[in-house]
Amino acid sequence: AAGVIQSPRHLIKEKRETATLKCYPIPRHDTVYWYQQGPGQDPQFLISFYEKMQSDKGSIPDRFSAQQFSDYHSELNMSSLELGDSALYFCASSLSVTIYGYTFGSGTRLTVV
Amino acid sequence: GENVEQHPSTLSVQEGDSAVIKCTYSDSASNYFPWYKQELGKRPQLIIDIRSNVGEKKDQRIAVTLNKTAKHFSLHITETQPEDSAVYFCAAPDTGRRALTFGSGTRLQVQP
Repeated sequence: AAGVIQSPRHLIKEKRETATLKCYPIPRHDTVYWYQQGPGQDPQFLISFYEKMQSDKGSIPDRFSAQQFSDYHSELNMSSLELGDSALYFCASSLSVTIYGYTFGSGTRLTVV
Repeated sequence: GENVEQHPSTLSVQEGDSAVIKCTYSDSASNYFPWYKQELGKRPQLIIDIRSNVGEKKDQRIAVTLNKTAKHFSLHITETQPEDSAVYFCAAPDTGRRALTFGSGTRLQVQP
């Protein structure tokens, strides 16, 4: 079965640069969630989108923005990168904003140097 | 928002022994409690979940129990194997948001 696809798998950026992470949900899923997981930390909810509109907002910094497109894929845009932004970024998808049983993509490891 | 506390932070057991990880939550309205297993550098994988209308759920060597009155739930792994070694996270619905709040994780090491 198709899973959540994230790209790129790894990304290295310098401080103050920008980065764009992409998430392709499971086919027919209309909701996308973004989580950030720092080294040795638990995943922290950033933001979610349902039917191309922002659904819920978590601890997403103002330097970050995200959107969901007509094909339901989502992009997380990160500007003015800081060393503390180095983390694993996971995307999950579900149908109709349900949190029951949703699964994560393989993640993007962002390293800011 | 929801506050999820998880204990212990590390757990070492001998192969074949049982392992128990416990979590407490703060929002009495929470009704869904998943458990995720995460190997180093990989994504969290859902291994079992329970909804508030049942007190226990079992899947082979893994079981989860829920005590709504006390607001705690536990993961039980029996007959542990080295491949069970990983970090385990409990989670509960975030208050007011359709997302999950995770516990701080338990690093389980199964010694062969």
